[in-house]
Amino acid sequence: QQPVQSPQAVILREGEDAVINCSSSKALYSVHWYRQKHGEAPVFLMILLKGGEQKGHEKISASFNEKKQQSSLYLTASQLSYSGTYFCGTEGDSNYQLIWGAGTKLIIKP
Amino acid sequence: GAGVSQTPSNKVTEKGKYVELRCDPISGHTALYWYRQSLGQGPEFLIYFQGTGAADDSGLPNDRFFAVRPEGSVSTLKIQRTERGDSAVYLCASSPGGPDNYNEQFFGPGTRLTVL
Repeated sequence: QQPVQSPQAVILREGEDAVINCSSSKALYSVHWYRQKHGEAPVFLMILLKGGEQKGHEKISASFNEKKQQSSLYLTASQLSYSGTYFCGTEGDSNYQLIWGAGTKLIIKP
Repeated sequence: GAGVSQTPSNKVTEKGKYVELRCDPISGHTALYWYRQSLGQGPEFLIYFQGTGAADDSGLPNDRFFAVRPEGSVSTLKIQRTERGDSAVYLCASSPGGPDNYNEQFFGPGTRLTVL
């Protein structure tokens, strides 16, 4: 089942912070976060695995609550380059198939 | 280094025609994925290859869709008797694979398919 992302869209001023949430009704093995700019391919941001391991870019932070099957992506001191649509992809025990949320559109204004 | 490439970047075809979409993964990546993305939506899983074999094709919408990866590298997604509802951006992604892999996926730029 498709994970639910919230909010659907958010508008920030440069320098402000944002939190994007991803929630699943199924037990998860991992959560993946990607950013996609208009007309471009999704770009990897972060992977969080059950058990606490994670891999991602230094300037990106995220959390994964295994019991609640929820993940949150934290964007601090936002820059104009952060604009785009953020997708979470959830992975069950299959260990390879990602089910993607509908995305959260982030707009950063100067 | 070279990333994932997809050809063509755009394909316009008529209803009922056959199309082939090509994906060149990153060299050495054993895992390859095909997704379909409609406007304003997240990618929709179609099929996953590990090496030459299709490990999971459960996302293919019907038997008009087929994909191959004969030598474990380049993959082709084939769509027969195209319908207007097939119009979307078809994304390919590859991943290193292996037990230590976090399944980080590297996406290609996509092929925009328009069925008239």
